[in-house]
Amino acid sequence: DIVMTQSPVTLSVSPGERATLSCRASQSVSSNLAWYQQKPGQAPRLLIYGASTRATGIPARFSGSGSGTEFTLTISSLQSEDFALYYCQEYHRWPLTFGGGTKVEIK
Amino acid sequence: QVQLQESGPGLVKPSQTLSLTCTVSGGSISGDGYYWTWIRQHPGKGLEWIGYIYYTGGTYYNPSLKSQVTISVDTSKNQFYLKLTSVTAADTAVYYCARNSDYGETHFDSWGQGTLVTVSS
Repeated sequence: DIVMTQSPVTLSVSPGERATLSCRASQSVSSNLAWYQQKPGQAPRLLIYGASTRATGIPARFSGSGSGTEFTLTISSLQSEDFALYYCQEYHRWPLTFGGGTKVEIK
Repeated sequence: QVQLQESGPGLVKPSQTLSLTCTVSGGSISGDGYYWTWIRQHPGKGLEWIGYIYYTGGTYYNPSLKSQVTISVDTSKNQFYLKLTSVTAADTAVYYCARNSDYGETHFDSWGQGTLVTVSS
C-alpha cells in the first residue's frame, strides 16, 4: 500500500494568514492526489483533485501543487470557515489510501 | 447532484455481522464509470477505504479487510450494501458511502452523511 504522510499534524494560523499543508507519498503517485476538507460531524468535501484542479464550487483561495511524492495544499487567506481537518488521498494504486490529516486551528 | 444516505444498526455485537445500506437518489446507480464505495473513519482518526462495487456487480476490496467484507448492489432499488463479518471493537467507526467524481476517476465528490456503528456487547 502507498503510505500518505501529512504534516504538520496541527497548524495554528490567524484568520487572514496563509496556511501551507504538506502531504508526502511513500512512492510516486504522479498527479493522482486529492485533498479534502472535513468539519466536525460532516463528511469530507472534495477540494482539489489531480493535485492542482479545484473541484466545483471551491474558492480560489485554495490551491494545490506538487507531483510524484510531494504535495502542498495552500489556503491563501484563511477565513473562519476554513478551520477544519484536511486530508490528502492518493488514487494512483489500489487500495486507495488517505493521509492521517492536518488540523488547521485558530491561533 | 447525486445524494447518498447510509442506514443500518448503530450497535452491533462482537463476532456478529455489520450490515449497512446506501440509498442513492438524484441519479442512477447504473451509471457507467462510477464506483459505489464504502469508506470508514475510526473515532478521531483518519479515513480508510473499504472497497467499491460497480453497477455490474464487479467489486474490489481493501486487502486488509477482504476476508471480512462483502459489497453488493441492487440496481432496481438504487441501493448498495456493506456487510462486514466477525466484527470486533476495532470495527467501531463512522461508515460513509461515496461515489467517485467522474468517469473512471477515484476521488470522491459525493458522500453520505455517515453513520456511526459501535461494536459492543
